Amino acid sequence: AQSVTQLGSHVSVSEGALVLLRCNYSSSVPPYLFWYVQYPNQGLQLLLKYTSAATLVKGINGFEAEFKKSETSFHLTKPSAHMSDAAEYFCAVKNTGGFKTIFGAGTRLFVKA
Amino acid sequence: SAVISQKPSRDICQRGTSLTIQCQVDSQVTMMFWYRQQPGQSLTLIATANQGSEATYESGFVIDKFPISRPNLTFSTLTVSNMSPEDSSIYLCSVEYSGTDTQYFGPGTRLTVL
Repeated sequence: AQSVTQLGSHVSVSEGALVLLRCNYSSSVPPYLFWYVQYPNQGLQLLLKYTSAATLVKGINGFEAEFKKSETSFHLTKPSAHMSDAAEYFCAVKNTGGFKTIFGAGTRLFVKA
Repeated sequence: SAVISQKPSRDICQRGTSLTIQCQVDSQVTMMFWYRQQPGQSLTLIATANQGSEATYESGFVIDKFPISRPNLTFSTLTVSNMSPEDSSIYLCSVEYSGTDTQYFGPGTRLTVL
């Protein structure tokens, strides 16, 4: 069975600091991995997607994530946080050949001025 | 990516009534999904709605409470029936184009039941 664990329900960083949001997954087959962002009162927006083409995936808004099979991780990073990055971030996994996407519990990112 | 709209964007309803939420996509999609997101929580899949077949419900969700229609490849509705305050949530529709393995989400419907 597939699952996703996001470490830390809340992360707070200062503006300009590194953003690191952690995600570990469990999957019996090679997975697809996703990061979504949800701004207040909005739906989820796809940030990036891992499909096995490259282990380092670049997404929108300066975010990127690295797939590490040995650690079963897919952490999201951004070198310099901006106030507009404050939102809820969801990691998700889908098995190749499957039809369900499993979402993590989410991490709320706070950015301090 | 898809352009997905939902109606209504928000509503306040009385206990015991029903609300139908509409989801419209700008192009044809095979798979549509309905999720519930309770306050401060992650997404919970309610059901998968494929055109031409009955919706497939997840454990804990039943058709009598959450009837779904999928009349064509660009439209679906979710009805929340006989509502109680526990149904207060954001309801999200999402779509997945065949072969993409990626879901795209609508803006959500924020429901408050009094």
